[in-house]
Amino acid sequence: QITLKESGPTLVKPTQTLTLTCTFSGFSLSTSGEGVGWIRQPPGKALEWLALLYWNDDKRYSPSLKSRLTITEDTSKNQMVLTMTNMDPVDTATYYCAHSLYGSGKIDYWGQGTLVTVSS
Amino acid sequence: DIQMTQSPSSLSASVGDRVTITCRTSQSISNFVNWYQQKPGIAPKLLIYAASSLQSGVPSRFSGSGSGTDFTLTITSLQPEDFATYYCQQTYSTPGTFGQGTKVEIK
Repeated sequence: QITLKESGPTLVKPTQTLTLTCTFSGFSLSTSGEGVGWIRQPPGKALEWLALLYWNDDKRYSPSLKSRLTITEDTSKNQMVLTMTNMDPVDTATYYCAHSLYGSGKIDYWGQGTLVTVSS
Repeated sequence: DIQMTQSPSSLSASVGDRVTITCRTSQSISNFVNWYQQKPGIAPKLLIYAASSLQSGVPSRFSGSGSGTDFTLTITSLQPEDFATYYCQQTYSTPGTFGQGTKVEIK
């Protein structure tokens, strides 16, 4: 059974750096074809794809946010970390981590999401 | 980025109705389209992947079709639990862009 859960601050100040951790179980990022990604959703708005890491260390970022995003993994802990620099109020959103499969790219398991508010 | 134009943005329907949602992409992407359902306050749920493959556990009243630039999600005989927002997503290239969503409301 695959599960994912996001953790991190619920409130950050403008210009600060956001660090979110995704802790997952039921699969390993050492296994061929496995991937973990981040998607966000501002309140009342659509989903936005942010970044994705595959088992072979293939890292993919949204071009519009690439300069601000970094994804890293701790395979031993089954964790993946998203770092987003220079946070702005427009970055207020629910941030989801999710399991994805190489090939189709389908996102078949999602974390519950964590709401991050950017405000001074 | 590949743009996903989803329509309509909202629709009203009754239980038992047949509902069709479309997604048009800004370039040809073969069958690299997925469809998700999202209810308020809950993470999205995968319904259809690779344009027409039904995700395990999803009722057969959901179906997808299309290839190239035009894709469709169809719900035959809408059920009360189907009132939600639906999103298409392309996974042909990075970033895996989503459509703007279609909110299906009760008529």
